[in-house]
Amino acid sequence: EIVLTQSPAILSLSPGERATLSCRASQSISRYLAWYQHKPGQAPRLVIYETSNRATGIPARFSGSGSGTDFTLTLSNLEPEDFAVYYCQQRSDWPLTFGGGTKVEIK
Amino acid sequence: QVQLVESGGGVVQPGTSLRLSCAASGFTFSSVGMHWVRQSPGKGLEWVAVIWYDGSQERYADSVRGRFTISRDNSKNTVYLQMNSLRAEDTAVYYCAKDVGPRDRSGHPTNWIDPWGQGTLVTVSS
Repeated sequence: EIVLTQSPAILSLSPGERATLSCRASQSISRYLAWYQHKPGQAPRLVIYETSNRATGIPARFSGSGSGTDFTLTLSNLEPEDFAVYYCQQRSDWPLTFGGGTKVEIK
Repeated sequence: QVQLVESGGGVVQPGTSLRLSCAASGFTFSSVGMHWVRQSPGKGLEWVAVIWYDGSQERYADSVRGRFTISRDNSKNTVYLQMNSLRAEDTAVYYCAKDVGPRDRSGHPTNWIDPWGQGTLVTVSS
C-alpha cells in the first residue's frame, strides 16, 4: 500500500503566521492527494482535493501544491479556527491511505 | 444540507459481531459512493471501506478485508458496516462519509471524502 509520511508531527505557531505542512508518498501518486482538517470532537472536513483545489467553503488562505511524491499544504495568515490536526490522503491506488497527521497548535 | 447520522456502536467482546448504520439525507443518496473511515484512540484516520453508488462494487482496507462488509440500501438512504470477528485493534470511532462525487462515466467514486458524520464509538474489550 502507499504510505504517506507527514511532517512535522507538531507545528507551533501564532495567529497571523504562515504554516507549511508536508506530505510525502512512498511512490508517485501524480496529483491524487487531498488534505483534511480535524478538530477535537468534530467530524473531519475536506480542505483541499486533487493537490490544489479548495473544497467548498474553504477560504483562500488555504493552498496546496506538489506532484509525484512531495506535497505541501500552506495556511497563510493563521486564524484561530485553523488550529487543528491536518491529514493528507491519497486516492492513486487501493487501499486509500491517510498520513499520520500534523497538529497545528497555538504557540 | 447533507446529514449523516451513524448508529450501532457500543462495547462488544473480541470475536463477536456488530453492525453499524448510517442514515443519510440532504442529497441524492443513490448517486454517490459512501465510505467508512475510523480513528482509533490517540491515532490518526484510517480508511476502512467504500461502496459504489449502486452497490455493485466494494473496496476494503487490508486490515478489515474478509471480516467487514459494507452494504447499502438505496431505498432507505442507509449504508451499513457489518463487522465480524472483532478484535481489540478495531476499537475506534467509526465515521460514515459521503464521496464528493460526481462519479465518473464508469460509475467509480472520486474517493475524495466529504462530508463526514459525527461518528460512533466501537469498543472491543473483554
